[in-house]
Amino acid sequence: AQSVSQHNHHVILSEAASLELGCNYSYGGTVNLFWYVQYPGQHLQLLLKYFSGDPLVKGIKGFEAEFIKSKFSFNLRKPSVQWSDTAEYFCAVNAGGNAGNMLTFGGGTRLMVKP
Amino acid sequence: EAQVTQNPRYLITVTGKKLTVTCSQNMNHEYMSWYRQDPGLGLRQIYYSMNVEVTDKGDVPEGYKVSRKEKRNFPLILESPSPNQTSLYFCASSLGGASSYEQYFGPGTRLTVT
Repeated sequence: AQSVSQHNHHVILSEAASLELGCNYSYGGTVNLFWYVQYPGQHLQLLLKYFSGDPLVKGIKGFEAEFIKSKFSFNLRKPSVQWSDTAEYFCAVNAGGNAGNMLTFGGGTRLMVKP
Repeated sequence: EAQVTQNPRYLITVTGKKLTVTCSQNMNHEYMSWYRQDPGLGLRQIYYSMNVEVTDKGDVPEGYKVSRKEKRNFPLILESPSPNQTSLYFCASSLGGASSYEQYFGPGTRLTVT
């Protein structure tokens, strides 16, 4: 069964600092990869996704992620965070073609940006 | 407006009292799913449905039931809730198929079982 690991559970940054959140998955085949964001009190929203092609994916609000197949990783980055980026971030993986479009989520990383 | 709606948003109940959380989507999506979110565990899939009358278990189906009699609705049923089902529940939907796995989430239902 596939699993997803997010190693940083809590991250605290000051505004304008750079951000990198780690995500590793365990599945050897074709994968679809996602980052979702959950702002306080709100539901999950898609930040970006990777299905195929260029492994560097750009999403909304200045976020990007890089798929490194050899490392089974899909780390999320932002060069300069803002206070409004305070949220919980979830990495998710779908084993390409599996039944049910099942998404396996990581445990989440709670980001706090200090003004 | 394209959306996934859930009701109720908040619910406090007692052990053993049957309850239903409704989920509805207006995007004509074939695929719908239920997740529970617990601190440190992320979201775990409870049940999913590929289409009307087609449902299957996810990672944590014990204690839950679902039905998919209409394309737009996918209710989650707890026949005999227990305190370990206290959680935040999300319904999601997507087009399904190999071309799109982006899921659209509802606003969540916070359930407390005492």
